[in-house]
Amino acid sequence: EIVLTQSPATLSLSPGEGATLSCRASQSVSSYLAWYQQKPGQAPRLLIYDASNRVTGIPARFSGSGSGTDFTLTISSLEPEDFAVYYCQQRSNWFTFGGGTKVEIK
Amino acid sequence: EVQLVESGGGLVKPGGSLRLSCAASGIAFSKAWMSWVRQAPGKGLEWVGRIKSKSDGGATDYAAPVKGRFTISRDDSKTTLYLHMNSLKTEDTAVYYCTTDGYCSGDSCYSGVDWGQGALVTVSS
Repeated sequence: EIVLTQSPATLSLSPGEGATLSCRASQSVSSYLAWYQQKPGQAPRLLIYDASNRVTGIPARFSGSGSGTDFTLTISSLEPEDFAVYYCQQRSNWFTFGGGTKVEIK
Repeated sequence: EVQLVESGGGLVKPGGSLRLSCAASGIAFSKAWMSWVRQAPGKGLEWVGRIKSKSDGGATDYAAPVKGRFTISRDDSKTTLYLHMNSLKTEDTAVYYCTTDGYCSGDSCYSGVDWGQGALVTVSS
């Protein structure tokens, strides 16, 4: 099973600041990595697929990069609605999710 | 607009059974690959299993923790997805989400393009 490790577990930032979230895979997943956002009491929402492709309707402040084992989700300037938990998911070898990074208001 | 509405959740004793349903609208359901993803209280996401469209063979795949106990099926005439859960364990307690698969290449898709609001299953004596 491919294990995805997300860091940090919690990121405390202020609106307007930039956020950098990391996802590391235990073995190469090529570019088969997605990012999801989940707010309290809501279902997750797909933001990025294949490492760097934004889903239609997702704001341009969200961007993804990486390949192989190291991936990054960047939020260029945090809006109030961006404070949430973010998960990465790989589909290279079945499907696994990372443990999540909580982006909280500082 | 895609709508996925889960139902059938509830409280069940260990060893019991439960069937979840997911009514879909706004999609070409018969062509869709569908998945179930669960989330234990306060925990992260876990893929449960998927079913391909009948035109793609209708095969099912399951995560190791549920293989042999859970069965995914579909009724294209009712645009409804099902999750049959047997021999339930306390560790199966979770919110179960119905999802559509997408952004595929080859035999692999992401199992979370669209999501329902989830159905809570509690396994407890």
